[in-house]
Amino acid sequence: GAGVSQSPSNKVTEKGKDVELRCDPISGHTALYWYRQRLGQGLEFLIYFQGNSAPDKSGLPSDRFSAERTGESVSTLTIQRTQQEDSAVYLCASSLSGGGTTDTQYFGPGTRLTVL
Amino acid sequence: KNEVEQSPQNLTAQEGEFITINCSYSVGISALHWLQQHPGGGIVSLFMLSSGKKKHGRLIATINIQEKHSSLHITASHPRDSAVYICAVRFLRWKDNQFYFGTGTSLTVIP
Repeated sequence: GAGVSQSPSNKVTEKGKDVELRCDPISGHTALYWYRQRLGQGLEFLIYFQGNSAPDKSGLPSDRFSAERTGESVSTLTIQRTQQEDSAVYLCASSLSGGGTTDTQYFGPGTRLTVL
Repeated sequence: KNEVEQSPQNLTAQEGEFITINCSYSVGISALHWLQQHPGGGIVSLFMLSSGKKKHGRLIATINIQEKHSSLHITASHPRDSAVYICAVRFLRWKDNQFYFGTGTSLTVIP
């Protein structure tokens, strides 16, 4: 079956503009994660959705960042008033459930965001 | 100080060598994840474990809960194994759902 897909694959924007990134998780996966990876650095957790529970937003770096998920399907990550430090690859991952050793995460290809 | 430490940071090996990458963490975990990130950026899950040992092909992952340590071994290494290997853990902490990542080990296998 299809894996996790993300769109767009690349996004170049001007400082101050808003951007919206999309993630389509694997069908049936209740858990969805957003991560950020800056150039040459490790993965940073941003936000976690699990079913209909309130999302864990503890990783969002500022109030310019927000994310939504429609049920157990598509998620969008929105960055308002983008800054140059927002430039990074934004990765989405999904898993069948939200915990336990069966909770393998499947990663999407990422969206490379460049803020000029 | 990062709660998840990996070593070595960089590793170069000759084809055929046995490779070990280490991951240590600070407190109790519910799960530990080994990931592989290829030069193009794609991330693949290798193992998810909470105890013992798992094997898949030439890859072996072990975890010692008491010592808070995991190792990823690659037997008979091949140039296609060249990638960044990342350890990620979910801690046993109330309402802490996220995965914490090590900084990665960059492996280069020379033919």
